[in-house]
Amino acid sequence: KAGVTQTPRYLIKTRGQQVTLSCSPISGHRSVSWYQQTPGQGLQFLFEYFSETQRNKGNFPGRFSGRQFSNSRSEMNVSTLELGDSALYLCASSLEVTGELFFGEGSRLTVL
Amino acid sequence: QQQVKQSPQSLIVQKGGISIINCAYENTAFDYFPWYQQFPGKGPALLIAIRPDVSEKKEGRFTISFNKSAKQFSLHIMDSQPGDSATYFCAASKGGRGSTLGRLYFGRGTQLTVWP
Repeated sequence: KAGVTQTPRYLIKTRGQQVTLSCSPISGHRSVSWYQQTPGQGLQFLFEYFSETQRNKGNFPGRFSGRQFSNSRSEMNVSTLELGDSALYLCASSLEVTGELFFGEGSRLTVL
Repeated sequence: QQQVKQSPQSLIVQKGGISIINCAYENTAFDYFPWYQQFPGKGPALLIAIRPDVSEKKEGRFTISFNKSAKQFSLHIMDSQPGDSATYFCAASKGGRGSTLGRLYFGRGTQLTVWP
């Protein structure tokens, strides 16, 4: 069974640009969550989607947004990039019954 | 504020030794406590998890000890091996049974190095 797939794996952007990251969950998983990982702040929750609805949102500015499609695939978008947005962005999917999170390998964003 | 506090930040253990990582939480609504292992360049992978209705859970060389009254839980790695060298994260969630647990509150991580 394929794991959580995130694309792109690496990307470099400049301040002010926007970026879209994609996540394909494990087949059958309808919940997708996003986390930001940085050396300074650790793993921080961004948002969670279930059946195309945002169920939870972390304490990030409105520049961070996301959505989920009917096939459970999810995207997150960061607009007006800042240097501090440089991070590893992790997507995780889960089954509603067990709730265990399975993470992808992440998209490493560098903002110059 | 940090909802889950983890210590130590780094840990060096001899091969064959016991690695112990501790976590503490404040929110009594938390009812799911997983541990994740992360290797460089990879996403975190679920290692073992516990719910507060048991005080200990063992899977192979990995054991979670849970103290509900003290609001603490710990990971013990017995017979530590060089391949265990990784960053370990504790986490907590208040999703409850039968629901997704998308919002995990993570500790800051412990970098474990096991010397051969």
